[in-house]
Amino acid sequence: QVQLQQWGAGLLKPSETLSLTCGVSGESLVGYYWSWIRQSPGKGLEWIGEISHTGRANYNPSLQSRVTISLDTTKNQFSLRLTSVTASDTAVYHCARQVGHRDSSGYIKNWGQGALVTVSS
Amino acid sequence: SYVLTQPPSLSVAPGNTATITCGGTNIGRKSVHWYQQKPGQVPILVVYYDNDRPSGIPERYSGSNSGNTATLTITRTEAGDEAVYYCQVWDSGRAMFGGGTMLTVL
Repeated sequence: QVQLQQWGAGLLKPSETLSLTCGVSGESLVGYYWSWIRQSPGKGLEWIGEISHTGRANYNPSLQSRVTISLDTTKNQFSLRLTSVTASDTAVYHCARQVGHRDSSGYIKNWGQGALVTVSS
Repeated sequence: SYVLTQPPSLSVAPGNTATITCGGTNIGRKSVHWYQQKPGQVPILVVYYDNDRPSGIPERYSGSNSGNTATLTITRTEAGDEAVYYCQVWDSGRAMFGGGTMLTVL
């Protein structure tokens, strides 16, 4: 049974960089796409981007200029970096395992519990 | 940009059928996935690729997709089906979610 656990700083000031890491247990990164999704009361569910086990990443065009998703197969984990955050980036950030990807209309198979990130001065 | 429209709420009596819609331009040409999220929990997949059901999801859950509307149908609704339901598609290189429908069973 795959489990995803994310961690990182929970309180940021505007203009800082959000950094979160997701550790995957019970499953190798190989063969799947891995994604970040955020959820906020105002914006609902928002897909941030995905990365394959080979490191190929695709991002939400609305966030592309600020987002980087990377992975470390030796540690079986992947990471999210979002620069120049503002209050509108306040959300619960979930890491997730996808079956399929952008080009195959994939779906989210497993979700991490989520990490609340608050952006406030 | 592409918009997915879901009714914010739906009420159904126990034992009746709940029909949750997800509207979008020519959504019938896309693959639609549905998620259930109960309070304090993460979403779980209940239907994928329009009408496939993951293992462990009751047969009471089914989906359809045609024209401008995709539909999640829950028959013989139970109290445990109370949750927010989200549809999901891909458009312009990104996954997109509907705003969610809060299903109340009363």
